[in-house]
Amino acid sequence: KQEVTQIPAALSVPEGENLVLNCSFTDSAIYNLQWFRQDPGKGLTSLLLIQSSQREQTSGRLNASLDKSSGRSTLYIAASQPGDSATYLCAVYSGGGADGLTFGKGTHLIIQP
Amino acid sequence: DAGITQSPRYKITETGRQVTLMCHQTWSHSYMFWYRQDLGHGLRLIYYSAAADITDKGEVPDGYVVSRSKTENFPLTLESATRSQTSVYFCASSRGRSYNEQFFGPGTRLTVL
Repeated sequence: KQEVTQIPAALSVPEGENLVLNCSFTDSAIYNLQWFRQDPGKGLTSLLLIQSSQREQTSGRLNASLDKSSGRSTLYIAASQPGDSATYLCAVYSGGGADGLTFGKGTHLIIQP
Repeated sequence: DAGITQSPRYKITETGRQVTLMCHQTWSHSYMFWYRQDLGHGLRLIYYSAAADITDKGEVPDGYVVSRSKTENFPLTLESATRSQTSVYFCASSRGRSYNEQFFGPGTRLTVL
């Protein structure tokens, strides 16, 4: 059974810092990996989708990398801003019987002004 | 462009009552999903649908029923609500199965008393 782990569970940094969020998964046979952002009391906003054949994807100040063989992904946030404060979720699609995403429990990020 | 909507956004019900949560998407996506989000468990897949009239169980289907008579709608019914079904429920959709981004609705917060 696929399991997804996100480290750290919480992170607080001053504004302007570059930071890295980590995601690991136990079964490397994935089709894709998706990073989401969730604001308190809100739904999930898709940030980046990385296919299994890709090494990284970029969107603005966000860069996500994927090392499928080692079961790891990182989300790099450049020049962090208070508006980046949210919970960041990593999810993988493995196919198989239950045909949905398997989620990590998230990293709660606070950017201090 | 409405995207994916859920109703109601908040619901309080009593143990034993039947409750239906609605999900509607305007993208004509083939795939639709229901997840629940709980502290300590993260998001877990309840049911999914590959197309109209095609549904299948996810990780935690017990106590739930789904139907999909039209591509754009995917209602989730709790036939006899229990306190353990108190949760935040998210509907999602994607164009295809293996290589496509999932988009999430705003969620329904359900409390079972």
